[in-house]
Amino acid sequence: EAQVTQNPRYLITVTGKKLTVTCSQNMNHEYMSWYRQDPGLGLRQIYYSMNVEVTDKGDVPEGYKVSRKEKRNFPLILESPSPNQTSLYFCASSPKGAFNQPQHFGDGTRLSIL
Amino acid sequence: DQQVKQNSPSLSVQEGRISILNCDYTNSMFDYFLWYKKYPAEGPTFLISISSIKDKNEDGRFTVFLNKSAKHLSLHIVPSQPGDSAVYFCAAGYGQNFVFGPGTRLSVLP
Repeated sequence: EAQVTQNPRYLITVTGKKLTVTCSQNMNHEYMSWYRQDPGLGLRQIYYSMNVEVTDKGDVPEGYKVSRKEKRNFPLILESPSPNQTSLYFCASSPKGAFNQPQHFGDGTRLSIL
Repeated sequence: DQQVKQNSPSLSVQEGRISILNCDYTNSMFDYFLWYKKYPAEGPTFLISISSIKDKNEDGRFTVFLNKSAKHLSLHIVPSQPGDSAVYFCAAGYGQNFVFGPGTRLSVLP
């Protein structure tokens, strides 16, 4: 089954404790992206990757890092999480660049930073 | 300032009637528009799209209309079904960037 898998689905942690949210897709997609969803703001893009070893900032990259060492994986790293990063996070992928192509989304990761 | 706006946070419609969800955008560079549907505890799923060279795209019960001069698009669902109850996100894109609206929660009442 074609899917985008995120782990963990839920996480409660404390300020400053490094965490990683993993994202994996099994569709051989080149493009992958991370979004955060906050009430009244919709989904805002954090980082995206056009292919292996190619990443770029989205609209709200501050406080986040990503890496793309393999095509299927695109982890989101919070080196020193803060309460304002409490949010619902979605990973997405599409076949060949986001241009004119709908994205497939994972089921989300709800992060609470205390 | 939000580049993509969905001014109705929620909408209730009777089953069998038409649902009309609206979306406005400000950036004239956007050339591709999509609608996604989201159920609770799931990720958004793609519903329908339209490129800026068209003004209408249909897929079964779903039709998207684009008015470029007004920077406005709308999603029509006819007839509405209870299973259509979800949050609908409008998204606009150019290049590698997509901007999502805040969403509209549609409730279809039996």
